[in-house]
Amino acid sequence: EDQVTQSPEALRLQEGESSSLNCSYTVSGLRGLFWYRQDPGKGPEFLFTLYSAGEEKEKERLKATLTKKESFLHITAPKPEDSATYLCAVQDRLAGGFKTIFGAGTRLFVKA
Amino acid sequence: GAVVSQHPSRVICKSGTSVKIECRSLDFQATTMFWYRQFPKQSLMLMATSNEGSKATYEQGVEKDKFLINHASLTLSTLTVTSAHPEDSSFYICSASNPTDTQYFGPGTRLTVL
Repeated sequence: EDQVTQSPEALRLQEGESSSLNCSYTVSGLRGLFWYRQDPGKGPEFLFTLYSAGEEKEKERLKATLTKKESFLHITAPKPEDSATYLCAVQDRLAGGFKTIFGAGTRLFVKA
Repeated sequence: GAVVSQHPSRVICKSGTSVKIECRSLDFQATTMFWYRQFPKQSLMLMATSNEGSKATYEQGVEKDKFLINHASLTLSTLTVTSAHPEDSSFYICSASNPTDTQYFGPGTRLTVL
């Protein structure tokens, strides 16, 4: 059964304290893995797409990596404005299309 | 990045009325659009997937006759909540996928049914 698990559920960091968020997945055929950021009361904002194991992408203080079982979102020297919920989504290949499964998210709090 | 808009952003209606929510991809043609609802402090729950010119595919447990989806063009999809009740109050979010299948999300619509 397709499954996407994000950990930790919540993470509290001091400004400048680097850390990583985890997204573990089980799908029959990975088509792509996506990271999003969501602020309260708003729709998710696209961050990264990863397609194959070993792939890495960076954007400002964020870096996403992918293996065959999981993805990490590394946050380097976070700032308070990085506080948000980070969502991971996995696309599974299906006959005639794809299915997207979202994780429950990691709520990140960065304190100044 | 790609822009997806939703209208209205917030709506309050009386129980028994119908509400229509629009989702538009502003700078790209979206062959597939998705509708989600999100409860407080919970992740997205996919309601249905719609492809332009064809009937929407609903997720198990989602009532087709209650949540009507129309994908009239490559840039517009609408969700109509028919005979809304208080339990339909939620945050409804649409997304549109580009040719690389990246989903770009709208800002969401907060529906409150009194």
